[in-house]
Parts: sequence; C-alpha cells; structure tokens
Amino acid sequence: GNSVTQMEGPVTLSEEAFLTINCTYTATGYPSLFWYVQYPGEGLQLLLKATKADDKGSNKGFEATYRKETTSFHLEKGSVQVSDSAVYFCALAGDSSYKLIFGSGTRLLVRP
Amino acid sequence: GAVVSQHPSRVICKSGTSVKIECRSLDFQATTMFWYRQFPKKSLMLMATSNEGSKATYEQGVEKDKFLINHASLTLSTLTVTSAHPEDSSFYICSAPVQGGMDEQYFGPGTRLTVT
Repeated sequence: GNSVTQMEGPVTLSEEAFLTINCTYTATGYPSLFWYVQYPGEGLQLLLKATKADDKGSNKGFEATYRKETTSFHLEKGSVQVSDSAVYFCALAGDSSYKLIFGSGTRLLVRP
Repeated sequence: GAVVSQHPSRVICKSGTSVKIECRSLDFQATTMFWYRQFPKKSLMLMATSNEGSKATYEQGVEKDKFLINHASLTLSTLTVTSAHPEDSSFYICSAPVQGGMDEQYFGPGTRLTVT
C-alpha cells in the first residue's frame, strides 16, 4: 500500500540556516504530494504541493520537487526564521483516492 | 480561505461515558469530511471518511460501533466516541476537501480528548 517516510526530528537550526527535511514515498500510479505544517496550537495548513513528476511546489520560501525517479519530495528552505518553528508533515494522495497518507512528522525548532 | 472548525477544543470525560465532537465547514459545503487521530509525536492516522447522506467508511482496524460518525448536513460532521476508555485519549482532527480539488484539504484545529 501507499506510505510516506520522513526524517525523524527534532531538527534544531539557527536562524538563517539552510533547511532540508527528507521525505520519500511508496505508491502505485501517480500520487499527488504535499507538505503540511502545524504551528503550535493550530491545525494543519497546506504549505505546498506538487501533482506530477518534476513539478516544484513553493510557498513562503519553502520548496519541494516531485522526484519520481527517487520517489522523493524533500522540503527545503534557504534561510529559516524563528517563526518557521513547527511540525512539518509530508503526505500523499493516491491517484485513485483523495485520502491523505501522512508521514510521521518532523519537528523543526529554529533558535534566534 | 476556507475554514474548518471543531468543537470542543478540549474535553475531559470519565471512562464509560460518550463524547461528541463536531466538525463544521464555515464558508463552504463539504459532502465529504475526514476524521483523523493523532497520537503524541506521531502522524495523523485516518480513521474514517464521513459522507453526507450516507454511511461513513471506516479504515481497517477502526471500530465503527465505538466511533460513530454522522454527517447530518453539508457543513457538519460529528464523531461520537462511545463508552470511552483511557486508551481513547488522543487528538482528533477533521478535514474537508477543497471544492474542485479533492486532493487538497482544510483541517480543523483538533480536539484534545482525555478520558480519566
């Protein structure tokens, strides 16, 4: 079945550091891929998405590229801010279903 | 943007009692909603798909008699945890798909259930 694996956290960075959170997936067909973010005390919010191979999703300085050859969708940001501290979830939706399958989440802590 | 609300945000109940959690889409209609459970430091686990006007579809391993789902209108789905036990303590989250884009969803803020 479909599954998502993402790196365990927590990830602790200093402000303005480069961020990478790895995400790989297993799926049949051509899933859509997502990154959701959960800020403290809030619900999940869609950060970015990509619906086909080689698409790049981007938002708020974050980027992720849909790599079918490596079945990956790594999240990157060139310069993190304290306000980026949150839990980040990689997720996929299969091409025959809109059910979301989530990774385990990665907590990011950015220190001033 | 579209908003999904949940009520209550926190609830504490005694073992053996039932608890109802509401999920509302505030400015859009949702014929389908999803219920998730999130364990501490773990991912969201899909429990069931709530369908307006018909029975909910439960994921494997989820007891439908324990987690009753009712999708009474196009803006409201309820999850009732019946005869709650301490192991049911968790964070319950609902979501609703964006209209015209079923693979993108809006999430509620979640309900923290503690069973004593």
